[in-house]
Amino acid sequence: GAVVSQHPSWVICKSGTSVKIECRSLDFQATTMFWYRQFPKQSLMLMATSNEGSKATYEQGVEKDKFLINHASLTLSTLTVTSAHPEDSSFYICSARTSGNSYNEQFFGPGTRLTVL
Amino acid sequence: EDQVTQSPEALRLQEGESSSLNCSYTVSGLRGLFWYRQDPGKGPEFLFTLYSAGEEKEKERLKATLTKKESFLHITAPKPEDSATYLCAVALWGKFQFGAGTQVVVTP
Repeated sequence: GAVVSQHPSWVICKSGTSVKIECRSLDFQATTMFWYRQFPKQSLMLMATSNEGSKATYEQGVEKDKFLINHASLTLSTLTVTSAHPEDSSFYICSARTSGNSYNEQFFGPGTRLTVL
Repeated sequence: EDQVTQSPEALRLQEGESSSLNCSYTVSGLRGLFWYRQDPGKGPEFLFTLYSAGEEKEKERLKATLTKKESFLHITAPKPEDSATYLCAVALWGKFQFGAGTQVVVTP
């Protein structure tokens, strides 16, 4: 149980284009999903917290107009990187938390490798 | 300031050589400490949750313990397949704050 999927697993795009990444909880309902980015040999940095049916909460320093997050259902959240540039190249990972206790463990997706040329 | 510090940064072990990883935290109102394993190019895989000092959990060759200021992840008689980066995270206001991780390499 508690499986989270991401699609695509990797994507290469040209500078200036937009890229959408999907995060799905496959066998549970996730009232809260999180988006992280991870640079090589570094730990996970939280970008935003997404609650189903409401606007995402972004961490300090994360541009909400650049990283659009939609959490339209209890099993799907999407991250759209708008007008991507090479500095946006990174490993993007989502996680999902089951409903209930807000201090429950998060289950992570396999990640999406974004390369912007 | 809330902080999560993991040590060592890297650990190289011979197969069968037991060792411990440390995760120390300076946070007020800990609501849970979590251990994850991450393989290169993959998302973190959940290992353990600890909620109160004195709590211990085990899974195969791994054992996690918690005190009021730190947590240890003990690896007993490791095998090469235990090679990974081990991350700890503390739950704060419903969000996770991760440590930098310990990269473990187990050689045959």
